Amino acid sequence: GAVVSQHPSWVICKSGTSVKIECRSLDFQATTMFWYRQFPKQSLMLMATSNEGSKATYEQGVEKDKFLINHASLTLSTLTVTSAHPEDSSFYICSAKQTPGRNTIYFGEGSWLTVV
Amino acid sequence: QKEVEQNSGPLSVPEGAIASLNCTYSDRGSQSFFWYRQYSGKSPELIMFIYSNGDKEDGRFTAQLNKASQYVSLLIRDSQPSDSATYLCAASGYSTLTFGKGTMLLVSP
Repeated sequence: GAVVSQHPSWVICKSGTSVKIECRSLDFQATTMFWYRQFPKQSLMLMATSNEGSKATYEQGVEKDKFLINHASLTLSTLTVTSAHPEDSSFYICSAKQTPGRNTIYFGEGSWLTVV
Repeated sequence: QKEVEQNSGPLSVPEGAIASLNCTYSDRGSQSFFWYRQYSGKSPELIMFIYSNGDKEDGRFTAQLNKASQYVSLLIRDSQPSDSATYLCAASGYSTLTFGKGTMLLVSP
């Protein structure tokens, strides 16, 4: 299957700092990428849908000024958690829709964020 | 609102048995259906996809789709303890993709 790479796999940062997570589709073009957050033992929560070259669409309750999403190319989307706080500690996962294709979604490996 | 429903489980089966995971969806416009497996602490991985009514087999996995009943299922034959995970069902329309909350499967040795 197609490969989606996420970096970093885990990161620890101090409260108040910003953290950037990258999501790359390695062997296909992805006009649409998705960002999820998952707390332990809970289901995936869609944060935003990112379309190449346009502004991301955020889900209700997700602060767009806090979670900055950029999708500058067909193979790269980034999520920046600004002014991170301990409650932002979570597992962040990106996924990419293979284009062309039947909307098959491939997930990155995920990034563990711990804010101390 | 487009919804995908799954029983959260856990579904417990003994090793070697058939595990049956079920999913219903609300959007009749959904065209493609996906099953993902997620181990604890890991991101989901694609197991199977199905587009047409009927069965699709891949190794120990069989996906079944009934569009009239808006029902998708995943059968796992000869279940192994390593199959213990959360299984996510997803339904895709023209421009949408909706995930269920997942069913936890526990396969006991």
